[in-house]
Amino acid sequence: DAGVTQSPTHLIKTRGQQVTLRCSPKSGHDTVSWYQQALGQGPQFIFQYYEEEERQRGNFPDRFSGHQFPNYSSELNVNALLLGDSALYLCASSSRGGSYNEQFFGPGTRLTVL
Amino acid sequence: AQKVTQAQTEISVVEKEDVTLDCVYETRDTTYYLFWYKQPPSGELVFLIRRNSFDEQNEISGRYSWNFQKSTSSFNFTITASQVVDSAVYFCALSEAGSNKLTFGGGTRVLVKP
Repeated sequence: DAGVTQSPTHLIKTRGQQVTLRCSPKSGHDTVSWYQQALGQGPQFIFQYYEEEERQRGNFPDRFSGHQFPNYSSELNVNALLLGDSALYLCASSSRGGSYNEQFFGPGTRLTVL
Repeated sequence: AQKVTQAQTEISVVEKEDVTLDCVYETRDTTYYLFWYKQPPSGELVFLIRRNSFDEQNEISGRYSWNFQKSTSSFNFTITASQVVDSAVYFCALSEAGSNKLTFGGGTRVLVKP
């Protein structure tokens, strides 16, 4: 049973560029959340997708956008990259309905903005 | 607004010593969930334990135990007889009922020396 997968593993971009990160949820999961983790800090919630719609959003600017596909996989897009966007981006999947289920995290994509 | 505080930034112990990690949280919700995650150097967040706000019973799971006290809004975590493999960053997190959004603390780095 494959867990949460993310691609790419590492990415280097320059300021002003755009980036797309990808996530495939754990089998049987239908909800995907994205988190940003700056060096030495705890993860910060960016947004969550369910049924191909953004359901919740954290305190992030509109430069951060996402998408969820019919197979539940998801993309995170960041436009006009800033140096401060350098971080580990974590994807987490879970299943809606019934009792709350813990989120399973992927290995993350480390983005470096130069 | 929710907030999670982990006052200890780093703890260093010798193998076989016990380690207790402190976590204090703030929330206006009456129903919520508390979590502990482990983040080894590989970066992937590993789920350890979950507790809901209605269950203050403290439990032990293998070498892990936790102390949940609503009166002081604390959710402390103990690793008994620590091992070198326990070296990682540990995060306490909070989630409202009906939401999979996690609010993380800043993390506590645990270093277990042989």
